[in-house]
Amino acid sequence: AQSVSQHNHHVILSEAASLELGCNYSYGGTVNLFWYVQYPGQHLQLLLKYFSGDPLVKGIKGFEAEFIKSKFSFNLRKPSVQWSDTAEYFCAVMSRDDKIIFGKGTRLHILP
Amino acid sequence: EAGVVQSPRYKIIEKKQPVAFWCNPISGHNTLYWYLQNLGQGPELLIRYENEEAVDDSQLPKDRFSAERLKGVDSTLKIQPAELGDSAVYLCASSFPGTETYNEQFFGPGTRLTVL
Repeated sequence: AQSVSQHNHHVILSEAASLELGCNYSYGGTVNLFWYVQYPGQHLQLLLKYFSGDPLVKGIKGFEAEFIKSKFSFNLRKPSVQWSDTAEYFCAVMSRDDKIIFGKGTRLHILP
Repeated sequence: EAGVVQSPRYKIIEKKQPVAFWCNPISGHNTLYWYLQNLGQGPELLIRYENEEAVDDSQLPKDRFSAERLKGVDSTLKIQPAELGDSAVYLCASSFPGTETYNEQFFGPGTRLTVL
């Protein structure tokens, strides 16, 4: 069965630190990959997506993610975080039948 | 453009009572999703509609949960009777079929249900 694993449940960083959030998935076929973000008190919103082409995708607010097919990974990165990046981040995988599976999420706290 | 609208935002009920949640998707979005999100977890799909047809309800606990989307626009999710374990956030999302291989989902604010 399809599954998504986010390695870190809770991450605390200082401003200007670099960020990498891990995401691994299990699914043998073609997938579409997403990172969603939920800022405190706000809706889930799409941060970035991959469905084909360049495996390095850039999203909003300086985030990027790299799809490594051989590792079944889609890690999220940002070179220098800001206090406003404090949020919960969800990795998600969609298979060809449009089923989307979310990871459990990573709570990110940025210390000012 | 207005986003996905859900109501109520919060609901507190006693166990064994019925409860209903309402969702109005973004105009023109013919695909509608209901998700359940427990504390500390990611959203889990309950049901997906294409227009008024439920195309995936495999994760919907049909003994107590039901949903409808009669005119292919807004939708209602019902629980009857509610149990303590149903306390969670119920999310609605919608998408528009495009030419790409996926459809971006837009989420509503959710309804936080507390069952006492």
